[in-house]
Amino acid sequence: GDSVTQMEGPVTLSEEAFLTINCTYTATGYPSLFWYVQYPGEGLQLLLKATKADDKGSNKGFEATYRKETTSFHLEKGSVQVSDSAVYFCALSHAGNMLTFGGGTRLMVKP
Amino acid sequence: NAGVTQTPKFQVLKTGQSMTLQCAQDMNHEYMSWYRQDPGMGLRLIHYSVGAGITDQGEVPNGYNVSRSTTEDFPLRLLSAAPSQTSVYFCASSPGTSLLGTFFGQGTRLTVV
Repeated sequence: GDSVTQMEGPVTLSEEAFLTINCTYTATGYPSLFWYVQYPGEGLQLLLKATKADDKGSNKGFEATYRKETTSFHLEKGSVQVSDSAVYFCALSHAGNMLTFGGGTRLMVKP
Repeated sequence: NAGVTQTPKFQVLKTGQSMTLQCAQDMNHEYMSWYRQDPGMGLRLIHYSVGAGITDQGEVPNGYNVSRSTTEDFPLRLLSAAPSQTSVYFCASSPGTSLLGTFFGQGTRLTVV
């Protein structure tokens, strides 16, 4: 079956540092890939998505590129802020189906 | 603009008790689902529904029942609570495809003692 693997956290960075959170997946066919973010005490929110190979999803300064050759969808941001502190989930789905999530990576950004 | 509303936000149950977690959405979404979130394991799908009157099992359905009598509501029933069901539960809805984004409620933190 489908699966998603993320780097374990927590990831602790200083403000304005560069962020990378690794995500790799195992799936049949050509799934869509997502990053969701969960702020403290809240539900998950869609951060960005990519639906086919070489697509780049972007939102709020975050980017991720769908790499089919390496089955990866790494999340990056050039300069993190304290307000980016949250848990980030990589996920995949086949169109119309439910999401399969990775284990989540907690990001802590210090001033 | 309510979105997905879950009640209660917190609940403590004794082993063997039953209860229903409520979920309602006001976006007229076809798809609704329940996930549980456990440390280091991400979110795992319990049950889902692709429309009123249609439900199906996800990855971890044992110990849970669901029904979908209306488009808006998708309650999750714990028949006989066990400590292994201690978790945070999220209800979600989407407009027929995850490509348009899945919307989550704020979660219910359940403790079974």
